[in-house]
Amino acid sequence: AAGVIQSPRHLIKEKRETATLKCYPIPRHDTVYWYQQGPGQDPQFLISFYEKMQSDKGSIPDRFSAQQFSDYHSELNMSSLELGDSALYFCASSSAQGARYGYTFGSGTRLTVV
Amino acid sequence: DAKTTQPNSMESNEEEPVHLPCNHSTISGTDYIHWYRQLPSQGPEYVIHGLTSNVNNRMASLAIAEDRKSSTLILHRATLRDAAVYYCILRDELDSGAGSYQLTFGKGTKLSVIP
Repeated sequence: AAGVIQSPRHLIKEKRETATLKCYPIPRHDTVYWYQQGPGQDPQFLISFYEKMQSDKGSIPDRFSAQQFSDYHSELNMSSLELGDSALYFCASSSAQGARYGYTFGSGTRLTVV
Repeated sequence: DAKTTQPNSMESNEEEPVHLPCNHSTISGTDYIHWYRQLPSQGPEYVIHGLTSNVNNRMASLAIAEDRKSSTLILHRATLRDAAVYYCILRDELDSGAGSYQLTFGKGTKLSVIP
């Protein structure tokens, strides 16, 4: 079965550079969620999109933005990167009834800022 | 979403059953109980979820207390591949509005499996 696809798997950037992470949800899933997981931390919710509209916002820095496109894939854009942005970034998808049917996570993008 | 409490860590011997507890005394009537696990350097993985009745799937069983203030994830025979952090998460199906259904991760239980 198709899973949530994230690209790239690994990314190394320098401070103050920009990065774009991509997420391709499971077919027919209309909701995408982005999470950030720092070293030794639990996943923290950043932002979500439902039917291409932002639906909820968590602890996402102003330097980050995201959008969901017409094919439901989503991109997380990160600018003015800081060392503290080094983390695993996960994307998850669900149908709008995620509470009832569960969520599927991608394998993540490991971002290293040097 | 209501909060959950789990032990920080647990150990199990390989091939033995594991019971992972979760307390959620402030659970509401519309909260689903979700369990996810995260293996090292991987994304969280769905394990099981339920509302009121006990649930079984190929990965695990979920036993929900009659008052729903606690639940237990049961791995029937632990293997080394089950070593992971297990998260118990409450998710209100009626929360916030269309699409606003993110999972909020708290502190899970780190399960170690001893060969």
